[in-house]
Amino acid sequence: AQTVTQSQPEMSVQEAETVTLSCTYDTSESDYYLFWYKQPPSRQMILVIRQEAYKQQNATENRFSVNFQKAAKSFSLKISDSQLGDAAMYFCAYLKAAGNKLTFGGGTRVLVKP
Amino acid sequence: GAVVSQHPSRVICKSGTSVKIECRSLDFQATTMFWYRQFPKQSLMLMATSNEGSKATYEQGVEKDKFLINHASLTLSTLTVTSAHPEDSSFYICSARDRSSGGASNYEQYFGPGTRLTVT
Repeated sequence: AQTVTQSQPEMSVQEAETVTLSCTYDTSESDYYLFWYKQPPSRQMILVIRQEAYKQQNATENRFSVNFQKAAKSFSLKISDSQLGDAAMYFCAYLKAAGNKLTFGGGTRVLVKP
Repeated sequence: GAVVSQHPSRVICKSGTSVKIECRSLDFQATTMFWYRQFPKQSLMLMATSNEGSKATYEQGVEKDKFLINHASLTLSTLTVTSAHPEDSSFYICSARDRSSGGASNYEQYFGPGTRLTVT
């Protein structure tokens, strides 16, 4: 069974600074997708960024970028120029290609200090 | 963009009663809908997967007779918590997958805003 591990329960960052969230996963599949979701206090899940495993290039979305290391099964999220609105729970998630089940990590709470 | 709604956003019911939660895809047709449960300060746990017109597939440990899921159309799935008890109090989130999109986005799940259930 696939597992997703987020080793940092909480991270604190100064506004305008950069923070990196860690995520590792375990799978025997070669084709899959990885996601980072943001869950603000409203509890609405928001997709931050997606990475296809067959792509070597790391995905980027504005201030958000990932470091995807397939061999190491690592998928970290970097938030640059942190803003107060970035404060939320962040969940790493795995989906097997052609699969249904999205497996979530335990989450990392990001605190942004003004 | 793809929008998923849930109704109600919060509900309080008495122990022993049943409560129904609706999940709707507002601007797309959903091949598959998913129901998650989230306890405070914890991650999302998949409860079941439902495909339109067929029986839901429940995750191990989820009581199918307690959590009834109906996916009657391509835009509506319902979760009914039967004979609710205080331990069923939780945050329930649905998500839906867009059947019309292609490529990698075909696998993207769009999440509803969640329903907070409190059983007294």
